[in-house]
Amino acid sequence: GIQVEQSPPDLILQEGANSTLRCNFSDSVNNLQWFHQNPWGQLINLFYIPSGTKQNGRLSATTVATERYSLLYISSSQTTDSGVYFCAVGYNNNDMRFGAGTRLTVKP
Amino acid sequence: IAGITQAPTSQILAAGRRMTLRCTQDMRHNAMYWYRQDLGLGLRLIHYSNTAGTTSKGEVPDGYSVSRANTDDFPLTLASAVPSQTSVYFCASSPRGGPLHFGNGTRLTVT
Repeated sequence: GIQVEQSPPDLILQEGANSTLRCNFSDSVNNLQWFHQNPWGQLINLFYIPSGTKQNGRLSATTVATERYSLLYISSSQTTDSGVYFCAVGYNNNDMRFGAGTRLTVKP
Repeated sequence: IAGITQAPTSQILAAGRRMTLRCTQDMRHNAMYWYRQDLGLGLRLIHYSNTAGTTSKGEVPDGYSVSRANTDDFPLTLASAVPSQTSVYFCASSPRGGPLHFGNGTRLTVT
């Protein structure tokens, strides 16, 4: 099956810093999504981004499908950004597979 | 409030017992999914359904079964639970090919 790799696995930032999270995938996909899992375990959809660039406040995402990667940018990080960020890819008849995640800790 | 409801929130189950985790959505989404989340392994797809009446195996289907009798409900059954099925189980739905929406999860412990 398709492989989804996220990097880095862990990231510690000071409040106000910027960061870039990466998601690589091993095959062609028909959609790509980014999620944030908060400390209470809830999974929130951040972006549905099969290609191109989208922005939502301090967060933005870019997917280059032809090169099989996506990037999530977090600017001016806040402590509430802490949690685990997952990317998920859709392929092969709507099968959706997740990466192992990036655990982000933002320190005040 | 529109969304996905999972029940129970948590459960402790003796090994060998049968258990059904419930999932209901009211968004009329075509596709529904079951994932398990284990520490360090992210979310792994168990089974999914593209539309009522159809189901497909995911990455880790062994020991689990699902049914999709209608659009709204997608129950997950463990026929004979084993300790390795201790996990947090998430149900999700999406319009076909669209953004996934998740329930709040069921924490299952098999002793």
